[in-house]
Amino acid sequence: DAGVTQSPTHLIKTRGQQVTLRCSPKSGHDTVSWYQQALGQGPQFIFQYYEEEERQRGNFPDRFSGHQFPNYSSELNVNALLLGDSALYLCASSSTWGEQYFGPGTRLTVT
Amino acid sequence: QKEVEQDPGPLSVPEGAIVSLNCTYSNSAFQYFMWYRQYSRKGPELLMYTYSSGNKEDGRFTAQVDKSSKYISLFIRDSQPSDSATYLCAMSVDSNYQLIWGAGTKLIIKP
Repeated sequence: DAGVTQSPTHLIKTRGQQVTLRCSPKSGHDTVSWYQQALGQGPQFIFQYYEEEERQRGNFPDRFSGHQFPNYSSELNVNALLLGDSALYLCASSSTWGEQYFGPGTRLTVT
Repeated sequence: QKEVEQDPGPLSVPEGAIVSLNCTYSNSAFQYFMWYRQYSRKGPELLMYTYSSGNKEDGRFTAQVDKSSKYISLFIRDSQPSDSATYLCAMSVDSNYQLIWGAGTKLIIKP
């Protein structure tokens, strides 16, 4: 079992640009959640996708959007990047029982 | 005041010692409690997942939840240098719901 995978591992973008991050869930999981983790802090919940719909959303602006595909994989899109968007972006997958398993993360640097 | 408070450390102990890590929280609706371990620049790894109050043991790890005091603990017995990492507590009001996190405690096990 490959576990949760994320791509890319890291990337550098310029303010104002757009970025797309990708996540493949653990086998057997149908729910994907995205979190943002700033350096030295705990993760902050962005949103959760289930059955291709956004089911829950945290306190993040509309610049953050997502999508879930029929194979349960997911994308996180961030538009109009700000310096403050620099962080580790974590994807977690889960099944009905709720235990969330995390991928290695994508480190985004905005310059 | 944050919903979940966790001492950021660092906590430094000698190899073989018993380690005690703690979190306090303010939302009495939390029912699911988790401990994750995170190595530098990696995704969090689920260590313990508990529901409501009580104890749960898994190998060298024991998780305790005291809902009356809004206090959770993780104990690590026979600590090893490989246990050196940041330990994050997380909790949610329902299964498969958004996780609310502490800031993490950096643990250093000295050989």
